Amino acid sequence: KAGVTQTPRYLIKTRGQQVTLSCSPISGHRSVSWYQQTPGQGLQFLFEYFSETQRNKGNFPGRFSGRQFSNSRSEMNVSTLELGDSALYLCASSKGQRGFTDTQYFGPGTRLTVL
Amino acid sequence: DAKTTQPPSMDCAEGRAANLPCNHSTISGNEYVYWYRQIHSQGPQYIIHGLKNNETNEMASLIITEDRKSSTLILPHATLRDTAVYYCIGGDTGTASKLTFGTGTRLQVTL
Repeated sequence: KAGVTQTPRYLIKTRGQQVTLSCSPISGHRSVSWYQQTPGQGLQFLFEYFSETQRNKGNFPGRFSGRQFSNSRSEMNVSTLELGDSALYLCASSKGQRGFTDTQYFGPGTRLTVL
Repeated sequence: DAKTTQPPSMDCAEGRAANLPCNHSTISGNEYVYWYRQIHSQGPQYIIHGLKNNETNEMASLIITEDRKSSTLILPHATLRDTAVYYCIGGDTGTASKLTFGTGTRLQVTL
């Protein structure tokens, strides 16, 4: 079974620009979560989408947004980029079932550098 | 979510068992203990999870104390490829998709 894929793997942008990152979950998985990893703050939860609806949200500003399509693929968007947005952005997919422990499987990440 | 405490780093000789402790004294009755690891610059990898009973899979064993205030992840025969940061995370089924990662334990496996 193919794993979680993320595109692009590396991205360089300048301050003020916007960026869109893409995540394709494991086949059959309906939940996609996004995380940001920086050396200073570690791994932080951004948001989760399930069946095209945002189900959970972390503590990030409105510049960070996302969406999920009917095929469960997800995109996240960061507008008005700041230097502090430089990070590894990780996507994780799971079946999304409530009431069960739901293992998350992570993709390799997109390394975003903001200059 | 339960707050977890882990030692920042540990060393282990290749071929020996690696025992990684985790303290989760504030864990509630319906919260599971999850373990993930992250090899440098890769996405985190799920290892194992448990609620009350000890668990074992092809990667590791998880020993949870009877009072559930701490647990130990055991890699029975560590190899160089097990060098990674190991995260112990407490969460219930409603938070399984929004994990709260701490700083983890950096395990260095040496020859």
